Amino acid sequence: AQSVAQPEDQVNVAEGNPLTVKCTYSVSGNPYLFWYVQYPNRGLQFLLKYITGDNLVKGSYGFEAEFNKSQTSFHLKKPSALVSDSALYFCAVRDRGGYQKVTFGTGTKLQVIP
Amino acid sequence: GAGVSQSPRYKVAKRGQDVALRCDPISGHVSLFWYQQALGQGPEFLTYFQNEAQLDKSGLPSDRFFAERPEGSVSTLKIQRTQQEDSAVYLCASSRTPDPNTEAFFGQGTRLTVV
Repeated sequence: AQSVAQPEDQVNVAEGNPLTVKCTYSVSGNPYLFWYVQYPNRGLQFLLKYITGDNLVKGSYGFEAEFNKSQTSFHLKKPSALVSDSALYFCAVRDRGGYQKVTFGTGTKLQVIP
Repeated sequence: GAGVSQSPRYKVAKRGQDVALRCDPISGHVSLFWYQQALGQGPEFLTYFQNEAQLDKSGLPSDRFFAERPEGSVSTLKIQRTQQEDSAVYLCASSRTPDPNTEAFFGQGTRLTVV
């Protein structure tokens, strides 16, 4: 079975500081990994994904994520946080084996403090 | 349409009532997913369609839940004899191809409250 862990329910960071939202995963094979963001009263929006190749993936709104196979992690990062980045962030994993099911983490609330 | 559209946005049902939730995916998208999101939780997989074929319904919590996509576009999630534990946000998502590396686009969800 595949699973995703987001160990922090909430992350607080000052505006302008770098931010990290943590994610670890477990799959039987090699993973496809995704980050989504959810703003209040809006659907989940795709941020970025890891498929293969470079372990550092760049996505929307200046976000990036680093795939670390040995640590089975896919942490979301941004060099300089904006107040508008405050939202709920979900990490998700999908097994490359062709099975369609996407498993989401429980989410991390990011609060950027002005 | 420009995005995934779900209706209604909000639904209040009395316990025991049947409900039907509609999803209009992005035009031409092959894959369609339904998820259930309880308050404070991540989305939980319910079922998956590739065109009109329901390839995975392993996440449906009971036989009261039924989903269809008869023409490979619009999908309906039906819940019979609703119970309070069915209260959640139901999310629909679609993706362009069946490839597992393809990201999904989500609708805003239907918030179901069973009273």
